[in-house]
Amino acid sequence: SQQGEEDPQALSIQEGENATMNCSYKTSINNLQWYRQNSGRGLVHLILIRSNEREKHSGRLRVTLDTSKKSSSLLITASRAADTASYFCASPSGNTPLVFGKGTRLSVIA
Amino acid sequence: EAQVTQNPRYLITVTGKKLTVTCSQNMNHEYMSWYRQDPGLGLRQIYYSMNVEVTDKGDVPEGYKVSRKEKRNFPLILESPSPNQTSLYFCASSPTGLTIRYEQYFGPGTRLTVT
Repeated sequence: SQQGEEDPQALSIQEGENATMNCSYKTSINNLQWYRQNSGRGLVHLILIRSNEREKHSGRLRVTLDTSKKSSSLLITASRAADTASYFCASPSGNTPLVFGKGTRLSVIA
Repeated sequence: EAQVTQNPRYLITVTGKKLTVTCSQNMNHEYMSWYRQDPGLGLRQIYYSMNVEVTDKGDVPEGYKVSRKEKRNFPLILESPSPNQTSLYFCASSPTGLTIRYEQYFGPGTRLTVT
């Protein structure tokens, strides 16, 4: 049962530009997480935002959460080639503690 | 070093030959989970475990078995692998599964090919 859905599926930008990825989810949540995956490797946790938070920052990452619209966004500022990866949102769904979306593939071109 | 380990990292096998992929974490986490990742389908949960001796099905449990006899280990068993189980498998753990308030730590992945 898929909870989150990322948009766009793929994104290609120039180094130095900002990258924005969106996530929409179906049911009420108490938190939402974002993960990064470099090609073929395990996922790495980026940030967790709770339902009572609207915005959270971590370095060049900015995450927003709009519970009324059931959506979240991940902004990467001043992107670097090393940011090239797939990005996933994940949140609880029903009895399943964490369900992942299909991800956004980000390519940052030097 | 806090980590989740998986073995083997790569495995090529034939249809019907039973195999086990091991997963171990050294963080005393209660929650552990198995996912498979396929192109265009993202990560799909196979099984998860909230604690020792407590396991539950995820979205795609057919053809898989798990056990959780010790807190640190959560092996994935394919009793009779088939080609449609060719995939990239990830094990993950978290301090608790209760509404997952914590990040999940992922293993490096096991690439399985069933011919």
